[in-house]
Amino acid sequence: KAGVTQTPRYLIKTRGQQVTLSCSPISGHRSVSWYQQTPGQGLQFLFEYFSETQRNKGNFPGRFSGRQFSNSRSEMNVSTLELGDSALYLCASSLDLSGSGELFFGEGSRLTVL
Amino acid sequence: AQSVTQPDIHITVSEGASLELRCNYSYGATPYLFWYVQSPGQGLQLLLKYFSGDTLVQGIKGFEAEFKRSQSSFNLRKPSVHWSDAAEYFCAVAAITDSWGKFQFGAGTQVVVTP
Repeated sequence: KAGVTQTPRYLIKTRGQQVTLSCSPISGHRSVSWYQQTPGQGLQFLFEYFSETQRNKGNFPGRFSGRQFSNSRSEMNVSTLELGDSALYLCASSLDLSGSGELFFGEGSRLTVL
Repeated sequence: AQSVTQPDIHITVSEGASLELRCNYSYGATPYLFWYVQSPGQGLQLLLKYFSGDTLVQGIKGFEAEFKRSQSSFNLRKPSVHWSDAAEYFCAVAAITDSWGKFQFGAGTQVVVTP
């Protein structure tokens, strides 16, 4: 069974650009969450989607957005990139909202903003 | 709102020695508690979880954790550390009344294993 797949794994952007990151959850998983990981702030929750609906959102500016498709794949977008957006962006999937007891994480997309 | 504190940012342990990582949480009700491990360049892998019942939970790779409600703690232990245990460890809490994907993570504890 394939794990959570995130693409691209690495990318470099410049300030002001935008970026789209993709996440394919484990087959059958309907919940997808996104986290930002930085050395200074640690792991911070961005948002969570279930059945194409955003169920929860963290404390990030509106430049951060996401969506989920009918096949449960998810994308997140960051517009007008800032240097501080450099981070590892982790996607996690789980079976459903009632809690399977585990979030399954991808290996992340490492974004560098120059 | 829930919060998680990992007091130790960095721990160095000799191979074969025991390891204990501390985790304190703040939450109004009974939380769901987790320990995850992250190796360099990798995502997070679940070591163990606590929902209810027996307060001593066993996980993968020989790890165990004990839930102590009176101390709001969920410390992770391993009796004998292997070099492959060098990684960063994260304690997390999930609110059962909130969406499942919204976990609150601690800042992490970096574990270095010396020969």
